[in-house]
Amino acid sequence: QVRLQQWGAGLLKPSETLSLTCAVYGGSFSGYYWSWIRQPPGRGLEWIGEITHSGSTDYNPSLKSRVTISVDTSKNQFSLKLTSVTAADTALYYCARMVRILRFLEWRSYGMDVWGLGTTVTVSS
Amino acid sequence: AIQMTQSPSSLSASVGDRVTITCRASQGIRNDLGWYQQKPGKAPKLLIYAASSLQSGVPSRFSGSGSGTDFTLTISSLQPEDLATYYCLQEYNYPRTFGPGTKVDIK
Repeated sequence: QVRLQQWGAGLLKPSETLSLTCAVYGGSFSGYYWSWIRQPPGRGLEWIGEITHSGSTDYNPSLKSRVTISVDTSKNQFSLKLTSVTAADTALYYCARMVRILRFLEWRSYGMDVWGLGTTVTVSS
Repeated sequence: AIQMTQSPSSLSASVGDRVTITCRASQGIRNDLGWYQQKPGKAPKLLIYAASSLQSGVPSRFSGSGSGTDFTLTISSLQPEDLATYYCLQEYNYPRTFGPGTKVDIK
């Protein structure tokens, strides 16, 4: 059974860089989108971005200038870096696996079927 | 970016009731939509993918329908364990966008 284990610093000061890593256990690393999602306290879900095993990325334009998602296939891990954090970046951050299937020469997505437990990140001076 | 709206934002229903949640996209997204259930203090869980396909292990009382811009999640007989917030997610293009959520309470 596939499991995602995530970790990273939980308390940051404004202007610092958020850094989180998600490790994939028990399943293939290739053939999926590996995603980061966040949820501010008491609010809804926000998609941050995703990466494939080959390193192809897509980011939310609202965060694109500050976000980098990278992958280490040798360790079956992917990571999130968010620079110049502010209090607005305080949230519960999740990693997740999104299923993708090639249909009629087009990659189609079929849901985020495995999620990490989440990491609370607080930005405070 | 495609905007996703959900209605209602919250509802309260009795055990055994049929519950319907609607999700609308600001432009057509084929059937590239998923439904997620988030219980308090837990990570979201995939219920429905491709608008109407039931994820493995999800109870059959959950069903999804729709295509294009209008989608529906139905719980045929509400159970106490269905207390949660439900989100739709469009997977048609980037950035992927979630609906604002529908909070379901049990009367």
